[in-house]
This record gives sequence, C-alpha cells and structure tokens, in this order.
Amino acid sequence: EAQVTQNPRYLITVTGKKLTVTCSQNMNHEYMSWYRQDPGLGLRQIYYSMNVEVTDKGDVPEGYKVSRKEKRNFPLILESPSPNQTSLYFCASSRRIAGAHNEQFFGPGTRLTVL
Amino acid sequence: GEDVEQSLFLSVREGDSSVINCTYTDSSSTYLYWYKQEPGAGLQLLTYIFSNMDMKQDQRLTVLLNKKDKHLSLRIADTQTGDSAIYFCADPGRGGYNKLIFGAGTRLAVHP
Repeated sequence: EAQVTQNPRYLITVTGKKLTVTCSQNMNHEYMSWYRQDPGLGLRQIYYSMNVEVTDKGDVPEGYKVSRKEKRNFPLILESPSPNQTSLYFCASSRRIAGAHNEQFFGPGTRLTVL
Repeated sequence: GEDVEQSLFLSVREGDSSVINCTYTDSSSTYLYWYKQEPGAGLQLLTYIFSNMDMKQDQRLTVLLNKKDKHLSLRIADTQTGDSAIYFCADPGRGGYNKLIFGAGTRLAVHP
C-alpha cells in the first residue's frame, strides 16, 4: 500500500529535550516536505527536500532541522524544543510529473506537546 | 505575498448542499486543490482543477474557478454526515512541486 508513515503519532516532551520525528514514504517520490498545522493558520511549510541531500527552508524553519540521506526518509529534528513548537506536524511526499498536477500525499500527523 | 483565505466554519443540514469558498492571490498557479481532513487523520486530496477550466464536476463535488476574481469554490451536493471534516483550499503558488499554500481550513459540520 502506497503510504507516508510518521512516528511517533503523539509526543509530550519538555523544553530543551532534543527529539526527532521520523517520516518515511514507499512511493519513490522525489519531493518531501514537513508542515505544521495550527488552529486558524492552516498548514505552513517548515522544510522541503527535492531529492537526496537537497533540502531548503520553507516558510517557518526556525527551530527545526531536517536531513535527507535516503530517498524514502525525511526526519524532522527539534534540537531544543520550545512551547511555541507545540503543534500538529505533517510529512508529505510528491512526485514531479511535468505538465501534470502535483498531488501531495500526507502522513497521519504527529501531535507534539512541549511543556 | 502568496496567500489563500477561506472562512473557518460552515454548518449545513444533512441532504442540503454545502458551498465552501476560497480566495487566492497568486495568478500563476497551474492547478488548485481541495484537500479533506477527517478527525484525527492526515489530509487527503479531494479534487483539483486545472487553471484553464471554469468548472469541474466529480460525482457529488463541483469545483468552480473564477480566475478573474481569484475565487475558488467547492460545492458538495446532498451533504452527508460523513462529509463532516475540515476542507482546505491549496495553491502551489510559485513553489511549483515543492509546496502548497493552504488556507486556514473550513470546518464543515453536518447536522440532522
């Protein structure tokens, strides 16, 4: 089954304790992104990757890091989490198809609470 | 900058039609999207429309695009309780394949 998986689904942590949220896709997609969803704000892109070892900042990258060492995986790293990073996080992947629409496939989400 | 706006709430009676509206700012988008988010789940693509179309119909869903006014709408005919969800309008903007710019989402509540 084609899917994007994220782990963990729920996480409660404390300020300053480093954490990693994993994301994996089995569709051989080139593009992967991380978004955060906050009430009244919709989804905002944190980081994206166009392929292995190619990453760039999205709209709200402060306080986050990513890496893309393998095509299927795109972990999100919070080196020193703060309460304003409490949010619902989504990983997404997509394939580049020239001249066609670009459907993004989303993971189930990770709800993070930073105390 | 690029922006997508939509109203936050819509309440309809079961069996009625629902219309969710969206406005966007970037006129360069080739496609515009509607995503659905059910409670506790990720987003799923509901439908999309190519920018040179005015209307697209897919079973109970009708998408209308007014490029002049940069207005997009999603009509759900015969709305059912299973349609209760958050609906997001999304625009690739200048991001192309890299990102989608989402509206805040419209929470649709369907009541008997």
